[in-house]
Amino acid sequence: DVVMTQSPLSLPVTLGQPASISCRSSQSLVHIDGNTYLNWFQQRPGQSPRRLIYQVSNRDSGVPDRFSGSGSGTDFTLKISGVEAEDVGVYFCMQGTYWPTFGQGTKVEIK
Amino acid sequence: EVQVVESGGALVQPGGSLRLSCAASGFTFSNYWMSWVRQAPGKGLEWVASIKLDGSEIYYGDSVKGRFTISRDNAKNSLFLQMNSLRVEDTAVYYCAKGGAHDSDSWGQGTLVTVSS
Repeated sequence: DVVMTQSPLSLPVTLGQPASISCRSSQSLVHIDGNTYLNWFQQRPGQSPRRLIYQVSNRDSGVPDRFSGSGSGTDFTLKISGVEAEDVGVYFCMQGTYWPTFGQGTKVEIK
Repeated sequence: EVQVVESGGALVQPGGSLRLSCAASGFTFSNYWMSWVRQAPGKGLEWVASIKLDGSEIYYGDSVKGRFTISRDNAKNSLFLQMNSLRVEDTAVYYCAKGGAHDSDSWGQGTLVTVSS
C-alpha cells in the first residue's frame, strides 16, 4: 500500500495566523489518466470527515478560500491563510490513485 | 442536498456477524461508485470496500477480504456491508461514502460497530 506521511502531527496556531500541513506519499500519485488523486479532509471534533480539497488543489463547494492545496508527485501541502476558531480539528490527506490510504492526521488547535 | 445515512451498528461478539446499511438521497445513486470507510476509536482512517455503479466491480481492503461483502440496491438507493467473522480489531465507526477512490466527496455521520466479548 502507498504510505502517506503527514507533518506535523500537532499544530498549535494563533488565531489569524497561517498554518501549513505537509503530506508525502511513498510513491508518485500521478495516475495513468494524468490526474493526481490527492485529497484533503477536515474532521471537526465529534463530526465525520469532510472533504476540503480534491485532486491536489481544487476546493470543494462551500469551502472557504483561506484553504488551499498545492504540490505534485509525492509532496503536497494544505495551507490555511489565516486560522479561524472553526478550523480546529484533525486534517487528513488521502490518496485515491491506488487503493486509498490516509495520512495519520494533523491536529490543529488554537494556542 | 446529498445525504448518506448509515445504520446497523451494534455490539457483537468476536466471530459474530452484522449487516450495515446506508440510505442515500439527494443524488442519482445509480450513477456513482459507493464505498465504506472505517475509523477505529482514536485512530486513523481505513478504506474498507468499494462497489461500482451496477455492482459489476467490487474491491476490498486486505484486512476484510473474505469476511466482508459490499452490495447495493439501486432501486432502493441503498448500500450494504455484510460483516462476518468479526474480530476485535474491526471495532470502528463505519462511514458510508459517496464515490470511489477517485471521487469520494460526501460521507455520512457513521455507525459504531463494537466487537467485544
